[in-house]
Amino acid sequence: DTAVSQTPKYLVTQMGNDKSIKCEQNLGHDTMYWYKQDSKKFLKIMFSYNNKELIINETVPNRFSPKSPDKAHLNLHINSLELGDSAVYFCASSQDQASGNYEQYFGPGTRLTVT
Amino acid sequence: GEDVEQSLFLSVREGDSSVINCTYTDSSSTYLYWYKQEPGAGLQLLTYIFSNMDMKQDQRLTVLLNKKDKHLSLRIADTQTGDSAIYFCAETRSGYSTLTFGKGTMLLVSP
Repeated sequence: DTAVSQTPKYLVTQMGNDKSIKCEQNLGHDTMYWYKQDSKKFLKIMFSYNNKELIINETVPNRFSPKSPDKAHLNLHINSLELGDSAVYFCASSQDQASGNYEQYFGPGTRLTVT
Repeated sequence: GEDVEQSLFLSVREGDSSVINCTYTDSSSTYLYWYKQEPGAGLQLLTYIFSNMDMKQDQRLTVLLNKKDKHLSLRIADTQTGDSAIYFCAETRSGYSTLTFGKGTMLLVSP
C-alpha cells in the first residue's frame, strides 16, 4: 500500500488556469505538508496543516490555497497559474511526537508545467 | 547565508566511502535528517539524529553531529552505484514540525 499518494503525477496547463493537486496519506498521521521543489532542486515548505492549525509560509502567494477535507487528505488549489509556478510539488505527512521528532514521509511528487 | 548549507556535488568510486557534509545555523535545531532523492522520485527518509546525540549508525550509514560547530555529516560505507542520488540534509526547530532543507548534494558513484 502506498503511504503518501499524490494525483496527478504530471500536470501540464496554460497560464491563467486554475488547477488542483490531491494528496492522501494512509499512515494515520496528524500533520500534512506541501513542499515546492524548483528547477534547481531546492525544496521549500509551503504549508503545514493538522486538525488544529494551518501554518502558511508567508512567501507563498495567496493564489495557493490548501484544503483539507479530513485528516488523511490535503489538497492544493492554485488559481491563475503563472510560469513561475512550474515545479515539482511534494506532499508529506508526519505524526505528532511528544519528542519533537517529526519524521516526514513524502509522496512521489506532482510535476507541474505551466506553458 | 542559507539556514542549511551543503556542498553541491560529490563523486566517488564504487566500494569507497562517501562523506556528505552539512552545516546549519539555528542553534534551536532539534532533529536533523538525511533524505535521499533518486531521479524522478520522491524523498526517502534515510536516517535522523537528535541534537543531543553525537553519532548514530544504521547499517552502512553513519551520522556524525558536531553541535558546537553546527556540522552534520553522513558517511556511506562501501558506496554502491545504487547510492547515486541527491542527498538532502534537513532540520526541524523547537516547536515547529516543518523541515528546512539544504540545497542537496548530488552523489555520483562510478563503477
